[in-house]
Amino acid sequence: DGGITQSPKYLFRKEGQNVTLSCEQNLNHDAMYWYRQDPGQGLRLIYYSQIVNDFQKGDIAEGYSVSREKKESFPLTVTSAQKNPTAFYLCASNRDFYNEQFFGPGTRLTVL
Amino acid sequence: KNEVEQSPQNLTAQEGEFITINCSYSVGISALHWLQQHPGGGIVSLFMLSSGKKKHGRLIATINIQEKHSSLHITASHPRDSAVYICAVNPDSNYQLIWGAGTKLIIKP
Repeated sequence: DGGITQSPKYLFRKEGQNVTLSCEQNLNHDAMYWYRQDPGQGLRLIYYSQIVNDFQKGDIAEGYSVSREKKESFPLTVTSAQKNPTAFYLCASNRDFYNEQFFGPGTRLTVL
Repeated sequence: KNEVEQSPQNLTAQEGEFITINCSYSVGISALHWLQQHPGGGIVSLFMLSSGKKKHGRLIATINIQEKHSSLHITASHPRDSAVYICAVNPDSNYQLIWGAGTKLIIKP
């Protein structure tokens, strides 16, 4: 079955620690995205990538980093510089920017 | 003012009722998306439309480009339709989606 997987589903982190969220897709999509969702708010774009080895900052990139070494994978690192990292993180992909996005199940990150 | 506004924010209805969720936007767009977010957090794309009307099962989405407005209708609503419904647009100016805040729908049996 084609789709997007994210792991882990729940993640707990101590303040000051970096943590990496995994996102893998087998849809052969070129474009991939990371979003952050806070309660009662719309999705906000963190980073996106159109193609392997290329990525661009979204609206709230500060405190986050990404890599795109393989077409299938787009991991997100939440660094200690992110002041309020507790949120729900969603990864998505599409064939190109003008097509519908397919979403992973999300990772809920809690900073203790 | 947000560029994509949804109404209502919350909607509670009885099973079987006809449901309408509205989305208004203030920018020129190439397409509009309706998505559904289940209580567990997963998001599913329902429709992508740039004109007219689309139907899938009990769901109907319409868009009026001149009025910058779209509606999502659910006929014969069912408790399993309970979810957050999200509107998002592809603006003409760039390719990043602009997201609405979502409408939380609860259908009571």
